[in-house]
Amino acid sequence: AQRVTQPEKLLSVFKGAPVELKCNYSYSGSPELFWYVQYSRQRLQLLLRHISRESIKGFTADLNKGETSFHLKKPFAQEEDSAMYYCALERTGGSYIPTFGRGTSLIVHP
Amino acid sequence: DSGVTQTPKHLITATGQRVTLRCSPRSGDLSVYWYQQSLDQGLQFLIQYYNGEERAKGNILERFSAQQFPDLHSELNLSSLELGDSALYFCASSVDNRVAEQYFGPGTRLTVT
Repeated sequence: AQRVTQPEKLLSVFKGAPVELKCNYSYSGSPELFWYVQYSRQRLQLLLRHISRESIKGFTADLNKGETSFHLKKPFAQEEDSAMYYCALERTGGSYIPTFGRGTSLIVHP
Repeated sequence: DSGVTQTPKHLITATGQRVTLRCSPRSGDLSVYWYQQSLDQGLQFLIQYYNGEERAKGNILERFSAQQFPDLHSELNLSSLELGDSALYFCASSVDNRVAEQYFGPGTRLTVT
């Protein structure tokens, strides 16, 4: 069965500090991994996906198949990054059943 | 605004009752997903419909059912409600059935008393 684990419920940092939100997954096939973000009073929205290998709002995430991880990183956190972050996995092939982690609440203090 | 609408915003009901949650996808989207978000379980995928047909099923209880109508809106029916069903129910839509292309609605908060 596929599983996504976000070990931290809450991550609290100061503005300008580096941020790393952890995501580990278990899946025997070739997964596609995503990060979703939910800002206060806003809807859940896609932040980035591993196959795009892009940087969005300064965030990057690298898929490490050896460690089965897809950690989200940003070198210098901003207050507006405060939000709930969800890591998600989609298995490729067959029916697409998405699996989300439980989410990590990021709080960036001024 | 992503264009996905959900009604009602809030719903308070008693145990044993039945409720219907409604979702209208973005214009042009054929796929609708339903999720349940609770404090202890996080975001759980329930079910997906694509162009009127059930496409994928997740952790959906037998007391719950859903359908997608010809106009592509979808309804999630929850029956014999229990206290543990209290949660935020999200609907998302996408053009096809790919996770990355999903657009989420604002959610319906269900409180079972």
